[in-house]
Amino acid sequence: AQSVAQPEDQVNVAEGNPLTVKCTYSVSGNPYLFWYVQYPNRGLQFLLKYITGDNLVKGSYGFEAEFNKSQTSFHLKKPSALVSDSALYFCAVRHFLGYGGATNKLIFGTGTLLAVQP
Amino acid sequence: DTEVTQTPKHLVMGMTNKKSLKCEQHMGHRAMYWYKQKAKKPPELMFVYSYEKLSINESVPSRFSPECPNSSLLNLHLHALQPEDSALYLCASGRGGVTDTQYFGPGTRLTVL
Repeated sequence: AQSVAQPEDQVNVAEGNPLTVKCTYSVSGNPYLFWYVQYPNRGLQFLLKYITGDNLVKGSYGFEAEFNKSQTSFHLKKPSALVSDSALYFCAVRHFLGYGGATNKLIFGTGTLLAVQP
Repeated sequence: DTEVTQTPKHLVMGMTNKKSLKCEQHMGHRAMYWYKQKAKKPPELMFVYSYEKLSINESVPSRFSPECPNSSLLNLHLHALQPEDSALYLCASGRGGVTDTQYFGPGTRLTVL
């Protein structure tokens, strides 16, 4: 079964410092991994995804993620945090539902609340 | 453009009411999804439509009835809901396929009294 784990409920970081939000995965087959961000009372915004290729994936708003197969991790990173980055971050793994439906199911982690202090 | 729109933004309904949520996308996406999200929890998949046909129903109670009138629209009809159904209802769409990315709408905040 496909699953992802986000071991930290909350991450606190000072503005200007680098941030890391952790995610580990457990999948059968090739992992297709995603990061989404959710601001209060809003929908989820897509940040980036790993499908194949370069282990360092660059995404929106200066975020990047590093895929590590040996550690089964897909941590989200940003070199310099902004107060406006404060939000709920979800890691997700794709569960492919089959070619008949040509659709995917996203299995989400429990989420990590990022708080950036001024 | 990766915009998915949802209406209404907020909805309050009684347990005997009938209401509908609406979702729209004009990106030519062939897969559309309904998710339910409780506060500070991850979204949970409810339904998947592919090419306007229902592909997946994640054992959702019959008081939730999805409908896909055309390739751009997705509705969720609500009837005889319970207070525990209060949640944020998210719509998403994607191209479908192996490497699909799902794009989410802003959601409808539903309160059942």
